[in-house]
Amino acid sequence: RKEVEQDPGPFNVPEGATVAFNCTYSNSASQSFFWYRQDCRKEPKLLMSVYSSGNEDGRFTAQLNRASQYISLLIRDSKLSDSATYLCVVMAGGSYIPTFGRGTSLIVHP
Amino acid sequence: EAGVTQSPTHLIKTRGQQATLRCSPISGHTSVYWYQQALGLGLQFLLWYDEGEERNRGNFPPRFSGRQFPNYSSELNVNALELEDSALYLCASRFIRGRNEKLFFGSGTQLSVL
Repeated sequence: RKEVEQDPGPFNVPEGATVAFNCTYSNSASQSFFWYRQDCRKEPKLLMSVYSSGNEDGRFTAQLNRASQYISLLIRDSKLSDSATYLCVVMAGGSYIPTFGRGTSLIVHP
Repeated sequence: EAGVTQSPTHLIKTRGQQATLRCSPISGHTSVYWYQQALGLGLQFLLWYDEGEERNRGNFPPRFSGRQFPNYSSELNVNALELEDSALYLCASRFIRGRNEKLFFGSGTQLSVL
């Protein structure tokens, strides 16, 4: 089982739609969780950290479920500019090595 | 404030040659990570440097090596290049303040091995 798994997609949605991505991780000692966004062949950029209580930033909501070992990202009111690959990142306590999922591709169309 | 800078942007080499990639972290960041991203694949962890020391390395052969300098900038060296080394090489520096932790990436070096 891979350390961090994501559905590669692509998720193809119309503008205004709500879309959700899930990510599962295998290491129960994982302590830090993030979502990054990567545009085609460019560097990943931090979208948001994921906290135990869940957190929201505008149209984006992240949730963590430690019992089931998954994190989620919800995007509301999708914009064309949201089209990108979304990377799930997990860091196990004490390892200090961020492990990336392969990413989920999102395409928002008019 | 300058972000993470990497050079060169593009590098073209032939099989068997050696490549050197450079990274300067954000000022004040002491940790530097190197990742390889082959086309269509995810980011694979290569090396982690902190305070001038190699702290961890990923599952890559010894011909992938590097170092970190006293000013925290870093070099990644790839010897005896193979075709499958063609990839985007990304460097990241890490910010930590309490529970607030973030990775910031440079724009990468696209290495092509012919």
